[in-house]
Amino acid sequence: DADVTQTPRNRITKTGKRIMLECSQTKGHDRMYWYRQDPGLGLRLIYYSFDVKDINKGEISDGYSVSRQAQAKFSLSLESAIPNQTALYFCATSDSGTGNTEAFFGQGTRLTVV
Amino acid sequence: SQELEQSPQSLIVQEGKNLTINCTSSKTLYGLYWYKQKYGEGLIFLMMLQKGGEEKSHEKITAKLDEKKQQSSLHITASQPSHAGIYLCGADSGGYNKLIFGAGTRLAVHP
Repeated sequence: DADVTQTPRNRITKTGKRIMLECSQTKGHDRMYWYRQDPGLGLRLIYYSFDVKDINKGEISDGYSVSRQAQAKFSLSLESAIPNQTALYFCATSDSGTGNTEAFFGQGTRLTVV
Repeated sequence: SQELEQSPQSLIVQEGKNLTINCTSSKTLYGLYWYKQKYGEGLIFLMMLQKGGEEKSHEKITAKLDEKKQQSSLHITASQPSHAGIYLCGADSGGYNKLIFGAGTRLAVHP
């Protein structure tokens, strides 16, 4: 089983719909991240969480919200999806105890907003 | 804010050829990470560099971090079709423990 699991893997939704992307991890890491990837733009950070009570905005948080339900679960919500949120979304984790920021990634969720 | 610039954006090489991908930071790097991504899939960690002048190798891939810790290179020797994918460099943004990424280098290796 994957250490970082994202669900769903693929999703097509209509403009204006609310959608939630879920991420769970079995690595026991305290830090979790949500990124989106667009062609030619690399990965851009949406939100990150250093523990259950700590949520921080990344560089492109507008239009998104997150919830850290437990140390192992971090979900990303699009309250009212729009077409330019069509992208590949990645969840990642890292361990503050290692002294570095090596991140472990899920397989990604491909979201299409029509 | 810190930015990472990768070059080239894309690269097509013949199998067996050597190649180099560069990653340049606008600020001193506290930690530099190289990842590989197969098209449409998740990222696979390759190597991490932290010290100026550091060099690490894994199989046919070598990564270096310059002495000033602002530039890193990834060198592949005798490329194979299995090396194809997108290579991304990531860095610990200003020591705040959030990882930022370059735009990636798309590599194709033709038999």
